[in-house]
Amino acid sequence: DTGVSQDPRHKITKRGQNVTFRCDPISEHNRLYWYRQTLGQGPEFLTYFQNEAQLEKSRLLSDRFSAERPKGSFSTLEIQRTEQGDSAMYLCASSLAGTALFGYTFGSGTRLTVV
Amino acid sequence: QQQVKQSPQSLIVQKGGISIINCAYENTAFDYFPWYQQFPGKGPALLIAIRPDVSEKKEGRFTISFNKSAKQFSLHIMDSQPGDSATYFCAASGETGANNLFFGTGTRLTVIP
Repeated sequence: DTGVSQDPRHKITKRGQNVTFRCDPISEHNRLYWYRQTLGQGPEFLTYFQNEAQLEKSRLLSDRFSAERPKGSFSTLEIQRTEQGDSAMYLCASSLAGTALFGYTFGSGTRLTVV
Repeated sequence: QQQVKQSPQSLIVQKGGISIINCAYENTAFDYFPWYQQFPGKGPALLIAIRPDVSEKKEGRFTISFNKSAKQFSLHIMDSQPGDSATYFCAASGETGANNLFFGTGTRLTVIP
């Protein structure tokens, strides 16, 4: 297993365009999390899934953001009508429910730049 | 509102010295306190974690000290090495890390040879 994979690593988009990011978690992990990290700050929670169910969403996740995890495997995060304030690193993490003491495994992130 | 407050923002330590990073929290429901290490261009990686039923946890050169009454915890890096130069984040969550983590703002550590 190569860990948590995120694609693309970098994305530059024009304001108003839609973007979609993909995350492939560690295969046996049933929990998947999305975080956002801006420069000089710690990651901020966006949402998480257990299997295919989206169990919690942060108020940071505006109506322009949507996340899915079909079949409880990979996940996608879509941002519609991007704004400059959406520029950030989007991090995906996964864990196995009941083993949270071992921590999440984060991917290397997708860096979004909105111009 | 920052759930976990972290200091200092940056730290410069000589090789072989001790690096100390401090965090404080308010939410008494938190019961899981991990530290993450992040290198440029990478996602955070779990370094060490503690639960509030112990006051200290040591793994190699890394030690977490936890003060439940003061709602503070700290990371000590002994014999700091240039390879330890990275950004360190403290975090906290409830239900033993089952749900979302609240991260501090990070400490950029530079270890000079």
